[in-house]
Amino acid sequence: GAVVSQHPSWVICKSGTSVKIECRSLDFQATTMFWYRQFPKQSLMLMATSNEGSKATYEQGVEKDKFLINHASLTLSTLTVTSAHPEDSSFYICSATRDTSEPQHFGDGTRLSIL
Amino acid sequence: LAKTTQPISMDSYEGQEVNITCSHNNIATNDYITWYQQFPSQGPRFIIQGYKTKVTNEVASLFIPADRKSSTLSLPRVSLSDTAVYYCLVGYNFNKFYFGSGTKLNVKP
Repeated sequence: GAVVSQHPSWVICKSGTSVKIECRSLDFQATTMFWYRQFPKQSLMLMATSNEGSKATYEQGVEKDKFLINHASLTLSTLTVTSAHPEDSSFYICSATRDTSEPQHFGDGTRLSIL
Repeated sequence: LAKTTQPISMDSYEGQEVNITCSHNNIATNDYITWYQQFPSQGPRFIIQGYKTKVTNEVASLFIPADRKSSTLSLPRVSLSDTAVYYCLVGYNFNKFYFGSGTKLNVKP
């Protein structure tokens, strides 16, 4: 149980395009979802926290207009990287939880490469 | 800024017990401590979660002292497939979680 699916797993696109990443909790309802970014050989950095039906809370230094997060249902959150540039290339990982006192369950990540 | 600290790397041999410690001096009263395992190009996988004292499941044990300013993940009898990066995750504010820097465990035959 507690499976989180992330799609796509890998995407390459040209600079200036927008990319949408989906995160789905397959067998539970996620009241809270988190989006992380991970550079090679580094730890996960929290980008934003989203609760179903509410606006996402972004961490300091994360541009909310560039990284659009939508949590429209209890099983789906999306991250859209708008007007992506090479410096946005990274490994993006989502997680979901029923309650903040319970463990977060992670998707397998999306490798984003901007040319 | 609240911070968690872990050793950068550890080496072990197959069959040994491995203990990885995470320091989290600013942990909040209601926060839990969770440990994850991550392989390259994959998302972290849940290992164990605890609040106080000792928690044990089928793969690991978690030891948390009374002051909760640190925690120790114990992996019994590691194998080569346990080579991975291990993270402790601690919540410093309600609904906010921060990962430690991760410990690269290298299990040798």
